[in-house]
Amino acid sequence: AQSVSQHNHHVILSEAASLELGCNYSYGGTVNLFWYVQYPGQHLQLLLKYFSGDPLVKGIKGFEAEFIKSKFSFNLRKPSVQWSDTAEYFCAVNENDKVIFGPGTSLSVIP
Amino acid sequence: DAGVIQSPRHEVTEMGQEVTLRCKPISGHDYLFWYRQTMMRGLELLIYFNNNVPIDDSGMPEDRFSAKMPNASFSTLKIQPSEPRDSAVYFCASSLTTYYEQYFGPGTRLTVT
Repeated sequence: AQSVSQHNHHVILSEAASLELGCNYSYGGTVNLFWYVQYPGQHLQLLLKYFSGDPLVKGIKGFEAEFIKSKFSFNLRKPSVQWSDTAEYFCAVNENDKVIFGPGTSLSVIP
Repeated sequence: DAGVIQSPRHEVTEMGQEVTLRCKPISGHDYLFWYRQTMMRGLELLIYFNNNVPIDDSGMPEDRFSAKMPNASFSTLKIQPSEPRDSAVYFCASSLTTYYEQYFGPGTRLTVT
Protein backbone atom coordinates (compact mmCIF):
# COMPACT_ATOMS: atom_id res chain seq x y z
CA ALA A 1 0.00 0.00 0.00
CA GLN A 2 1.06 3.55 -0.63
CA SER A 3 2.66 5.29 2.33
CA VAL A 4 4.15 8.69 3.02
CA SER A 5 6.85 9.24 5.62
CA GLN A 6 8.24 12.45 7.02
CA HIS A 7 11.67 12.23 8.55
CA ASN A 8 11.26 14.53 11.49
CA HIS A 9 8.44 14.68 13.99
CA HIS A 10 9.51 17.97 15.54
CA VAL A 11 12.07 20.51 14.34
CA ILE A 12 13.28 23.52 16.32
CA LEU A 13 15.16 26.30 14.54
CA SER A 14 16.29 29.82 15.26
CA GLU A 15 15.11 32.63 13.02
CA ALA A 16 17.15 32.99 9.81
CA ALA A 17 18.23 29.36 9.90
CA SER A 18 17.73 27.24 6.80
CA LEU A 19 15.02 24.62 6.73
CA GLU A 20 14.72 21.27 5.05
CA LEU A 21 11.88 18.87 5.85
CA GLY A 22 12.07 15.41 4.40
CA CYS A 23 9.25 13.53 2.68
CA ASN A 24 9.39 10.09 1.09
CA TYR A 25 6.67 8.02 -0.50
CA SER A 26 6.47 4.42 -1.48
CA TYR A 27 4.54 4.43 -4.77
CA GLY A 28 6.57 3.91 -7.93
CA GLY A 29 4.11 5.18 -10.51
CA THR A 30 3.04 8.64 -11.57
CA VAL A 31 2.24 10.79 -8.58
CA ASN A 32 1.19 14.32 -7.76
CA LEU A 33 2.86 15.76 -4.68
CA PHE A 34 1.79 18.44 -2.22
CA TRP A 35 2.99 20.27 0.85
CA TYR A 36 0.39 21.71 3.18
CA VAL A 37 0.89 23.95 6.20
CA GLN A 38 -1.26 24.22 9.30
CA TYR A 39 -0.65 27.31 11.44
CA PRO A 40 -1.57 27.02 15.13
CA GLY A 41 -5.31 26.76 15.55
CA GLN A 42 -6.00 26.93 11.83
CA HIS A 43 -6.87 24.56 9.01
CA LEU A 44 -4.52 23.09 6.45
CA GLN A 45 -3.68 25.18 3.43
CA LEU A 46 -1.63 24.49 0.35
CA LEU A 47 2.02 25.60 0.30
CA LEU A 48 3.01 24.18 -3.07
CA LYS A 49 2.37 21.30 -5.44
CA TYR A 50 4.10 19.28 -8.12
CA PHE A 51 2.29 17.74 -11.06
CA SER A 52 4.92 17.56 -13.81
CA GLY A 53 7.72 19.52 -15.45
CA ASP A 54 10.44 21.30 -13.52
CA PRO A 55 11.14 19.18 -10.42
CA LEU A 56 11.99 22.29 -8.42
CA VAL A 57 8.71 23.84 -7.35
CA LYS A 58 8.31 27.24 -5.76
CA GLY A 59 5.45 27.96 -3.42
CA ILE A 60 4.17 30.73 -1.24
CA LYS A 61 6.13 32.53 1.48
CA GLY A 62 9.54 31.62 0.06
CA PHE A 63 9.12 27.86 0.29
CA GLU A 64 10.30 25.48 -2.39
CA ALA A 65 10.41 21.72 -2.84
CA GLU A 66 12.38 19.40 -5.05
CA PHE A 67 10.97 16.23 -6.54
CA ILE A 68 13.64 13.54 -6.91
CA LYS A 69 11.98 10.61 -8.63
CA SER A 70 14.89 8.21 -8.13
CA LYS A 71 14.75 8.76 -4.39
CA PHE A 72 10.94 8.90 -4.12
CA SER A 73 11.42 12.15 -2.26
CA PHE A 74 9.81 15.58 -2.19
CA ASN A 75 11.70 17.61 0.40
CA LEU A 76 10.57 21.06 1.48
CA ARG A 77 13.10 23.87 1.86
CA LYS A 78 13.31 27.47 2.90
CA PRO A 79 16.61 29.37 3.03
CA SER A 80 15.74 31.55 6.01
CA VAL A 81 12.85 30.82 8.36
CA GLN A 82 10.85 33.35 10.31
CA TRP A 83 9.00 33.08 13.60
CA SER A 84 5.75 33.16 11.62
CA ASP A 85 6.71 29.88 9.95
CA THR A 86 5.98 28.07 13.19
CA ALA A 87 3.42 25.49 12.12
CA GLU A 88 2.75 21.85 11.26
CA TYR A 89 3.82 20.78 7.78
CA PHE A 90 2.23 17.89 5.92
CA CYS A 91 3.48 16.15 2.82
CA ALA A 92 0.79 14.50 0.67
CA VAL A 93 0.85 12.20 -2.33
CA ASN A 94 -1.88 11.56 -4.84
CA GLU A 95 -1.96 8.05 -6.21
CA ASN A 96 -4.78 7.16 -8.58
CA ASP A 97 -7.92 8.34 -6.85
CA LYS A 98 -6.60 8.83 -3.37
CA VAL A 99 -4.53 11.40 -1.51
CA ILE A 100 -2.39 10.15 1.34
CA PHE A 101 -1.01 12.51 3.95
CA GLY A 102 2.20 12.03 5.88
CA PRO A 103 2.19 12.18 9.68
CA GLY A 104 3.32 15.80 9.73
CA THR A 105 6.36 17.67 11.03
CA SER A 106 5.98 20.29 13.71
CA LEU A 107 8.28 23.28 13.18
CA SER A 108 9.03 25.69 15.99
CA VAL A 109 11.00 28.83 15.12
CA ILE A 110 12.63 30.63 18.02
CA PRO A 111 12.94 34.42 17.68
CA ASP B 1 -16.59 31.60 -3.08
CA ALA B 2 -16.65 31.51 0.72
CA GLY B 3 -14.53 28.38 0.86
CA VAL B 4 -15.44 25.19 2.65
CA ILE B 5 -17.91 25.85 5.43
CA GLN B 6 -18.23 23.68 8.51
CA SER B 7 -20.60 23.85 11.41
CA PRO B 8 -20.57 23.92 14.30
CA ARG B 9 -17.05 25.22 14.99
CA HIS B 10 -17.11 23.82 18.51
CA GLU B 11 -19.21 21.07 19.98
CA VAL B 12 -19.22 19.86 23.55
CA THR B 13 -21.42 16.90 24.33
CA GLU B 14 -21.80 14.14 26.84
CA MET B 15 -20.88 10.55 26.22
CA GLY B 16 -23.71 8.63 24.58
CA GLN B 17 -25.19 11.61 22.78
CA GLU B 18 -25.55 11.84 19.01
CA VAL B 19 -23.29 14.34 17.26
CA THR B 20 -23.79 15.67 13.74
CA LEU B 21 -21.12 17.64 11.95
CA ARG B 22 -21.93 19.54 8.78
CA CYS B 23 -19.97 20.57 5.73
CA LYS B 24 -20.64 22.66 2.66
CA PRO B 25 -17.97 22.16 -0.01
CA ILE B 26 -16.82 24.70 -2.55
CA SER B 27 -19.27 24.90 -5.41
CA GLY B 28 -18.17 22.83 -8.40
CA HIS B 29 -15.87 20.56 -6.45
CA ASP B 30 -16.63 16.92 -7.13
CA TYR B 31 -14.71 15.45 -4.21
CA LEU B 32 -15.41 15.80 -0.52
CA PHE B 33 -13.24 14.43 2.28
CA TRP B 34 -13.76 14.00 6.01
CA TYR B 35 -10.66 13.93 8.25
CA ARG B 36 -10.06 13.57 11.96
CA GLN B 37 -7.04 15.14 13.65
CA THR B 38 -5.70 14.27 17.10
CA MET B 39 -2.35 14.66 18.77
CA MET B 40 -1.94 10.91 19.09
CA ARG B 41 -2.96 9.80 15.60
CA GLY B 42 -2.34 12.90 13.51
CA LEU B 43 -4.51 13.52 10.43
CA GLU B 44 -6.68 10.55 9.46
CA LEU B 45 -8.87 10.25 6.38
CA LEU B 46 -12.25 8.92 7.45
CA ILE B 47 -14.21 8.82 4.19
CA TYR B 48 -14.40 10.56 0.85
CA PHE B 49 -17.10 11.11 -1.74
CA ASN B 50 -17.03 11.59 -5.50
CA ASN B 51 -20.13 13.20 -6.98
CA ASN B 52 -22.02 12.51 -3.75
CA VAL B 53 -21.16 8.80 -3.77
CA PRO B 54 -18.99 7.36 -0.98
CA ILE B 55 -15.84 5.94 -2.56
CA ASP B 56 -13.71 4.83 0.35
CA ASP B 57 -14.91 4.59 3.94
CA SER B 58 -12.15 2.31 5.15
CA GLY B 59 -10.99 4.99 7.55
CA MET B 60 -14.27 5.17 9.44
CA PRO B 61 -13.30 3.87 12.87
CA GLU B 62 -16.43 1.86 13.64
CA ASP B 63 -20.13 1.55 13.06
CA ARG B 64 -20.84 4.45 15.37
CA PHE B 65 -19.61 6.72 12.59
CA SER B 66 -21.64 7.39 9.46
CA ALA B 67 -21.43 9.97 6.68
CA LYS B 68 -23.84 11.08 4.03
CA MET B 69 -23.82 13.44 1.10
CA PRO B 70 -27.42 13.94 -0.02
CA ASN B 71 -26.46 16.54 -2.62
CA ALA B 72 -23.45 18.31 -4.08
CA SER B 73 -23.55 21.13 -1.55
CA PHE B 74 -23.96 19.35 1.75
CA SER B 75 -22.48 16.51 3.76
CA THR B 76 -22.85 15.27 7.31
CA LEU B 77 -20.71 13.17 9.60
CA LYS B 78 -22.65 11.58 12.43
CA ILE B 79 -21.39 9.85 15.56
CA GLN B 80 -23.94 7.85 17.50
CA PRO B 81 -23.35 7.20 20.33
CA SER B 82 -20.38 9.47 20.99
CA GLU B 83 -17.51 8.46 23.28
CA PRO B 84 -14.72 10.49 24.93
CA ARG B 85 -12.15 8.98 22.56
CA ASP B 86 -13.99 10.64 19.67
CA SER B 87 -12.77 14.01 20.93
CA ALA B 88 -10.79 15.56 18.07
CA VAL B 89 -10.87 18.22 15.39
CA TYR B 90 -12.86 17.08 12.37
CA PHE B 91 -12.00 18.67 9.05
CA CYS B 92 -13.94 18.64 5.84
CA ALA B 93 -12.12 19.31 2.56
CA SER B 94 -13.14 19.51 -1.07
CA SER B 95 -11.34 19.42 -4.39
CA LEU B 96 -12.03 19.43 -8.12
CA THR B 97 -10.37 16.04 -8.48
CA THR B 98 -7.91 14.11 -6.36
CA TYR B 99 -5.19 15.38 -8.67
CA TYR B 100 -5.72 18.92 -7.49
CA GLU B 101 -5.21 20.45 -4.08
CA GLN B 102 -7.75 20.06 -1.35
CA TYR B 103 -9.36 23.07 0.28
CA PHE B 104 -9.93 22.56 3.95
CA GLY B 105 -12.68 23.98 6.11
CA PRO B 106 -11.98 25.58 9.50
CA GLY B 107 -12.76 22.35 11.33
CA THR B 108 -15.11 21.35 14.13
CA ARG B 109 -13.53 20.86 17.54
CA LEU B 110 -15.48 18.07 19.23
CA THR B 111 -15.21 17.42 22.95
CA VAL B 112 -17.04 14.45 24.40
CA THR B 113 -17.15 14.38 28.19
